[in-house]
Parts: sequence; structure tokens; C-alpha cells
Amino acid sequence: QSALTQPASVSGSPGQSITISCTGTSSDIGGYNYVSWYQQHPGKAPKLIIYDVTKWPSGVSNRFSGSKSGNTASLTISGLQAEDEADYYCSSHTSSSTWVFGGGTKLTVL
Amino acid sequence: EAQLVESGGGSVQPGGSLRLSCEASGFSFISYEMNWFRQAPGKGLEWVAFISGRGTTTYYADSVKGRFTISRDNAKDSVFLQMNSLRAEDTAVYYCARLAVGWSKFDYWGQGTLVTVSS
Repeated sequence: QSALTQPASVSGSPGQSITISCTGTSSDIGGYNYVSWYQQHPGKAPKLIIYDVTKWPSGVSNRFSGSKSGNTASLTISGLQAEDEADYYCSSHTSSSTWVFGGGTKLTVL
Repeated sequence: EAQLVESGGGSVQPGGSLRLSCEASGFSFISYEMNWFRQAPGKGLEWVAFISGRGTTTYYADSVKGRFTISRDNAKDSVFLQMNSLRAEDTAVYYCARLAVGWSKFDYWGQGTLVTVSS
């Protein structure tokens, strides 16, 4: 199972919005609404921020939003804050009853 | 609140074995499917293995199939990862995580335990 494709890095200024893309295939992202996104700060465990493409776990800011079109999912962060600087990973369930991750995107808040 | 605590990591030579444990608290353990993930130093996340609530169904990543075994003891609220025939490329921080309703909600993660495979 090949990894999902994410940009290595994105950046934005405080208050701006950024979008991170995550491209897979019809066997993962395109075939199911089981895409999730994780935020990871250095030395910390991943934190779930979006699941089932568009849903928020309890306690997560609605500045984070998810979407999907075909084989590509996207995470948008609006009103960027310094604390949003972190690595972001997308993940999808697959037709093989496994899960696949993207390579991760490093977000820099300028 | 739910909590997961991993243990059992350490250093091992190539070809060796190690057993990781993950103890859960704060929720009805048997009601949740559990998973192991790993993250090699400076690299991204990788899903490793899945086990159903009663332990009757398991899935594995191709990279560990035939070498790793996931199991659980619901009486002890614990999930395990038996790792055999370890390779240098298995060096990583290993996390356990709970899978909530559906197939994408890994909502609680442990703090991770480091496994180093080196001669």
C-alpha cells in the first residue's frame, strides 16, 4: 500500500488560512469517507483533529476543517495561530482493511 | 478520561524479539478496537496492526506481517505487540491508539515507547 501524497511544507502568517492537500487513490481516499487528519508537535503523540473527512472530535477548534474531492482530501486551517505550527498527517482506511498515512506536512507560521 | 500507556520498548539486536504493552484506563476497553502505529526517527506515521474488541479479528501492515503479532487481554485492559525477527528498519517510536466508532477516528493515543534495533 503506497503512502498518501502531501506537500512537504506549507507556511502562512497569523490570521491567514492555509490548505494542505492529501492525494491517494480510489482504493483509499476515493473509495471511502474514512479520512482523518492528525496534528503532531515535536516530541508529542499525534492528536486527532478531523475524522470521517469533515467531523471534529470533541474539543478541537472549528478553525480546522476537512473536505474531499475524488481521490484528494484537504485540511484547511483558518485564522492561523502560532500554536498551529506543527506537523500534519492525513490518513485513510483502505480496501485492504488497512490504514495508510501521508508523509506529513510541516506547517510554519511566519 | 481515556488514557493509554505504552511500555516494553528498548534496545535489541537484529533478529531479536520484543513485546510491547499498552495499558488502557478510563473507558470500556472491550468496546474498542485497538491499533499499533510507529514513527521512525524523523519520519512520518505508519499504521502497524489492528485488533477487534474481542480479539477475533486482526490486520497487519505488509511490512510486519508474519513477524509481529497483536493480541489483547480484556481482563487486564491491555493490548500487546509481539515483535519477532526485528530489523534495523523497525527502529521507531511505537504508539498504541484507540479506534472509536467508524474506521477513521483514532481518538486517543499513548505517549509512545522507543524501540531501537541495532547491533
